[in-house]
Amino acid sequence: DAKTTQPPSMDCAEGRAANLPCNHSTISGNEYVYWYRQIHSQGPQYIIHGLKNNETNEMASLIITEDRKSSTLILPHATLRDTAVYYCIVQRWSDMRFGAGTRLTVKP
Amino acid sequence: DGGITQSPKYLFRKEGQNVTLSCEQNLNHDAMYWYRQDPGQGLRLIYYSQIVNDFQKGDIAEGYSVSREKKESFPLTVTSAQKNPTAFYLCASRQSYSFTYEQYFGPGTRLTVT
Repeated sequence: DAKTTQPPSMDCAEGRAANLPCNHSTISGNEYVYWYRQIHSQGPQYIIHGLKNNETNEMASLIITEDRKSSTLILPHATLRDTAVYYCIVQRWSDMRFGAGTRLTVKP
Repeated sequence: DGGITQSPKYLFRKEGQNVTLSCEQNLNHDAMYWYRQDPGQGLRLIYYSQIVNDFQKGDIAEGYSVSREKKESFPLTVTSAQKNPTAFYLCASRQSYSFTYEQYFGPGTRLTVT
């Protein structure tokens, strides 16, 4: 099992970039890094995933280090609606396990 | 409108009663999952199913049971053997058990047992 380590909480000013780090030093070669977020009392929402290359979509960018031991989720222009718990997960073959995540608070 | 339906949103039961939580998906996904979330905590995996008529225990399966008789349905029964059943329960599905696909989550059921 590749485990992940995330800071428990972070703050970000509205309109600025939010950079959320994740360590996954035991990741194996065929495991993907996934990011989800959960807004209070809702089901988690998929954000982005990647294997080894950097990825970008309409929500965020994912930067994975060359050795794949860590990654950073970037929300380029954070808004108040981005306040949520963000989960970094290393995708296993058949099941997915979520840690405690990072609680991101976007402040005006 | 494709997605995952969980019903009801809120559920109240007396201690000692079994209760079944519904999860339905019309995404034609093979894999389905049940998670439990306690206040301020992350999600913990209860059971998952990769295909119809097959399911596996997750990390906290004791006191729970599931069935997967149809592709679109994966009900979870919280039995009286579950010591602390009050929690937020989330159902999810994925196109297949391949790790290239993301999970889709339902809105959750908040169960309160008194």
